[in-house]
Formats: sequence, C-alpha cells, structure tokens
Amino acid sequence: EPEVTQTPSHQVTQMGQEVILRCVPISNHLYFYWYRQILGQKVEFLVSFYNNEISEKSEIFDDQFSVERPDGSNFTLKIRSTKLEDSAMYFCASSRDRFNSPLHFGNGTRLTVT
Amino acid sequence: GDSVTQMEGPVTLSEEAFLTINCTYTATGYPSLFWYVQYPGEGLQLLLKATKADDKGSNKGFEATYRKETTSFHLEKGSVQVSDSAVYFCALSIGGGSNYKLTFGKGTLLTVNP
Repeated sequence: EPEVTQTPSHQVTQMGQEVILRCVPISNHLYFYWYRQILGQKVEFLVSFYNNEISEKSEIFDDQFSVERPDGSNFTLKIRSTKLEDSAMYFCASSRDRFNSPLHFGNGTRLTVT
Repeated sequence: GDSVTQMEGPVTLSEEAFLTINCTYTATGYPSLFWYVQYPGEGLQLLLKATKADDKGSNKGFEATYRKETTSFHLEKGSVQVSDSAVYFCALSIGGGSNYKLTFGKGTLLTVNP
C-alpha cells in the first residue's frame, strides 16, 4: 500500500538555524498538510496546500514557516529561524480529495531545537 | 473555538478486556468525528469516522457512535488484543465532512498485556 514518507526521522538543530523537513506524499494525492505535536500536547494543524498554494494556515504558521512543492514528488516545510518552542513531532499528510478521502499521515519527523 | 477532550492515559488492559476511551468535543458548527490510531513507529491512521448524529463508525472491532446530545464519540472494543497497543486520537473537522483541518485530542496510550 502506498504511504507518505518523511525524512529525516529525527532532526537536531541549534536555535536560530534553518531547517527543512521533507515529505513525499502519495503520488496521486492532490492535497497536502503539515501538523505538529509538541510533547505532551495535542496534534495541531499547521497548513494545507493545494494546487501549488497554501489553502489554509493556522495562527501557528507565522512568517518563520513556509511550505513548498519543489518538484512533482516532494513537499517541504521550512522553518527559517528555529526557536526552542519549535521542538515537536511534525507530521506530513496527504489526501486524494478534500472532502471524502481520509488523510494519510507519515511517521513524523522529531525536531529538537537546542 | 473547536476542541476535543479525551480521557487521560495511559490505559493498561489485559487481553480480551473491554475497552472504552472517552472523547467529548466542543464545536461551533456541525462536525465530522474521527478516531485515528498510531502504532509504535508509524504515522497516524484513520480508524473510523462518523459524519452525522447517531452514525456509528466501526473498523477492526472498534466502534464509536456520534452522540450530539452529549457531544461525545467514545471509542469501544469488546475484546482487545495485544496488537491493539497504540496511541488513539479523537478528532473533529468542521465543514461538510472535509477532513483537511482536523482538531485533535491529546491522544490516549493503550497498552494491552497478554
């Protein structure tokens, strides 16, 4: 069964550094998402992306964050200048359509900012 | 705002025991309700869903009924197995079944012992 893959599984970075989290969604999916989970807290919606543009973003997704689909297969989340509070598990997801098909999640990237 | 509250874990059961994980929600609109499961080392997977009041979602022996009067969507299974050990997330979305923006609970860790 096709799956969403995320790399790396664990990323350690210093405060102020830029990080790029990578995702390969399922190939025939059209909608892409990022969620995150700070340790001990809820999984939170960050952003949804369709047709090469952001369709919705949460309050968390400020100017430090950006997403891109640089080619036909990858979907990336960039954090320009990481803060300690960005430490979390970041989940990428994709879906075939917006309303009826389920979200398929990747295994997540654990980001640790020191 | 919209929110989901799940029972605090961890929950530890013996094999063949009955499982209930409570979930209640607060929503300004008319939500769709979901249970996601995360097995160790894997991403979140949709377990079951319900899109309107009194709907019952079911999958793999798990069931949950959408109760509008009590704003609840409790997960139940009559006889758990060791392989059911995972983290279970209750979630909702607003907007005619669109699942692109999910609001999650904190998750409940279930451990089933042989």
